[in-house]
Amino acid sequence: QVQLQQSGAELVKPGSSVKISCKASGYTFTSYDMHWIKQQPGNGLEWIGWIYPGNGNTKYNQKFNGKATLTADKSSSTAYMQLSSLTSEDSAVYFCARPRGGYYWYFDFWGPGTMVTVSS
Amino acid sequence: DIQMTQSPSVLSASVGDRVTLSCKASQNINKNLDWYQQKLGEAPKLLIYFTNNLQTGIPSRFSGSGSGTDYTLTISSLQPEDVATYFCFQYNSGYTFGAGTKLELK
Repeated sequence: QVQLQQSGAELVKPGSSVKISCKASGYTFTSYDMHWIKQQPGNGLEWIGWIYPGNGNTKYNQKFNGKATLTADKSSSTAYMQLSSLTSEDSAVYFCARPRGGYYWYFDFWGPGTMVTVSS
Repeated sequence: DIQMTQSPSVLSASVGDRVTLSCKASQNINKNLDWYQQKLGEAPKLLIYFTNNLQTGIPSRFSGSGSGTDYTLTISSLQPEDVATYFCFQYNSGYTFGAGTKLELK
């Protein structure tokens, strides 16, 4: 069965960087995009970007250009998102999500989320 | 960028009520819209894809409709377990979530 396992909560200082992971299992990692979504406390969902692990292609929400960097390690079926120059506005839960391939498009599998807290 | 506006932001209803949630796109999204349900502390869960297709395992009291810029999620008879926040999501051009409708029991 498809599973997305995310890394644990992070407490990081302003101005630093953090790298969170999403380990995929139960499907061919290189055949599906992996998307990342941000949710600030009490707020809605914000799409950050996607990576296609098969060739490393990425696409970002313009808002996150320079903030988020998406990578993938095919050998371990793990997607990563690095967030840089962290501020309090980056405190949020970050989800990875896999879209279904084919005619219909939707996120059919989500990770449980990784909470990032930016605080001195 | 396409903006998605959900209304109302908070909805209080009673068990058994018919509930309608609205999602309006800033331009035609050609029915490329999904609905997700998110309960507190959980990841979102897919309810409806491509406007009106019920995801496997989702109760038939949930339904979706719409076209162009206007879309609706309907719960035909509200149940206590439906208390959650509901998000619409468009993928016609880029990817955008609505701000959500928080559904509460009256």
